[in-house]
Amino acid sequence: GQNIDQPTEMTATEGAIVQINCTYQTSGFNGLFWYQQHAGEAPTFLSYNVLDGLEEKGRFSSFLSRSKGYSYLLLKELQMKDSASYLCAVRGKDSWGKFQFGAGTQVVVTP
Amino acid sequence: SQTIHQWPATLVQPVGSPLSLECTVEGTSNPNLYWYRQAAGRGLQLLFYSVGIGQISSEVPQNLSASRPQDRQFILSSKKLLLSDSGFYLCAWSVSIGGGVYSNQPQHFGDGTRLSIL
Repeated sequence: GQNIDQPTEMTATEGAIVQINCTYQTSGFNGLFWYQQHAGEAPTFLSYNVLDGLEEKGRFSSFLSRSKGYSYLLLKELQMKDSASYLCAVRGKDSWGKFQFGAGTQVVVTP
Repeated sequence: SQTIHQWPATLVQPVGSPLSLECTVEGTSNPNLYWYRQAAGRGLQLLFYSVGIGQISSEVPQNLSASRPQDRQFILSSKKLLLSDSGFYLCAWSVSIGGGVYSNQPQHFGDGTRLSIL
């Protein structure tokens, strides 16, 4: 199975950068996904990593190190609308596309 | 394009009553389908997943059940609800995965059903 850890909450100022870390332990690995979830809403897909390195998508970037079981999501030029929970999810190799989700990191953006 | 519909959006049920939540996907064939529950302030717990019609796998023991009567229809049911069944229920789909192909496909979520048990 998988064990996924991410910080509970982070606070940052509008315009700043925030890095959300995610560590995982898994018996098989077939990709790491990041989702954004606003309060009361469904998660929406942000990014995906399966190979080591950085994937950049506009203001959001995600990094993966498989040897360290580590990923981070980088949010640049923070906007108030970025206040949300960010979920790290790992897909195992022996599963039918199943994900194991972390508990989520609540990001609070202040003016 | 693909869309996923989930209903109802909110539901208030008494303890001991039955439950039926429905989820349908459009614009794709033979998707993998998933039911999750999210308790307040917590992560997503996978309840059931299905890789085809009539094929259901349960992840956690509970008083809930799931069925897939049609390719793009996924139903979550209970005969008698418990207080602990309260939560935010989410249906999701992904492109069918086989032999490692399409492994980069994310799961896409419906809008969810907020279930309160009184």
